[in-house]
Amino acid sequence: QKEVEQNSGPLSVPEGAIASLNCTYSDRGSQSFFWYRQYSGKSPELIMFIYSNGDKEDGRFTAQLNKASQYVSLLIRDSQPSDSATYLCAGYSNYQLIWGAGTKLIIKP
Amino acid sequence: DTEVTQTPKHLVMGMTNKKSLKCEQHMGHRAMYWYKQKAKKPPELMFVYSYEKLSINESVPSRFSPECPNSSLLNLHLHALQPEDSALYLCASSNPRGGTSQETQYFGPGTRLLVL
Repeated sequence: QKEVEQNSGPLSVPEGAIASLNCTYSDRGSQSFFWYRQYSGKSPELIMFIYSNGDKEDGRFTAQLNKASQYVSLLIRDSQPSDSATYLCAGYSNYQLIWGAGTKLIIKP
Repeated sequence: DTEVTQTPKHLVMGMTNKKSLKCEQHMGHRAMYWYKQKAKKPPELMFVYSYEKLSINESVPSRFSPECPNSSLLNLHLHALQPEDSALYLCASSNPRGGTSQETQYFGPGTRLLVL
């Protein structure tokens, strides 16, 4: 059974701090990983994708992939209240996305 | 432009009704997807069309019937649904790159379906 696991949270972070979201996966064949943000009642919005070991930065967001440890993370620097949402991690395997349960992030002003 | 559109935004239907959900993308993507999402759960894959052919059908009940008239359009026909089918129905598209796994799926805004 191919799985992607995330802590469902909620993860509460003060405004301006770094939010760290984590995800582990079981399928070593997965090569690409995606982070989506989903506001309540809305559809998932792509934040970042990563397929190489190491870090990938885009503005306030940094995705990290460690294939040896089967671990993916998303760091959000200078967290804003507008970052409060559910963050979904997904790994690409066998022509489809395998989704984690999502982590609810709350940024406290 | 990474826009996927879906209509209608909201739909209320009775268990004997027949309705259709529509999805459209103009990004030249050749793969389109239907997902169902219940509250506080991740999206659940229903169907995948790749190059206008149904490539994945995740054992979805026959009361859901997908259709891909062309590479830009995707429909989901609904008939004799049950109250437990009430959910957010999401359409997504991506550009398969044959042999690589670097697909990025872009989602439409979804259709909120309520079955009474």
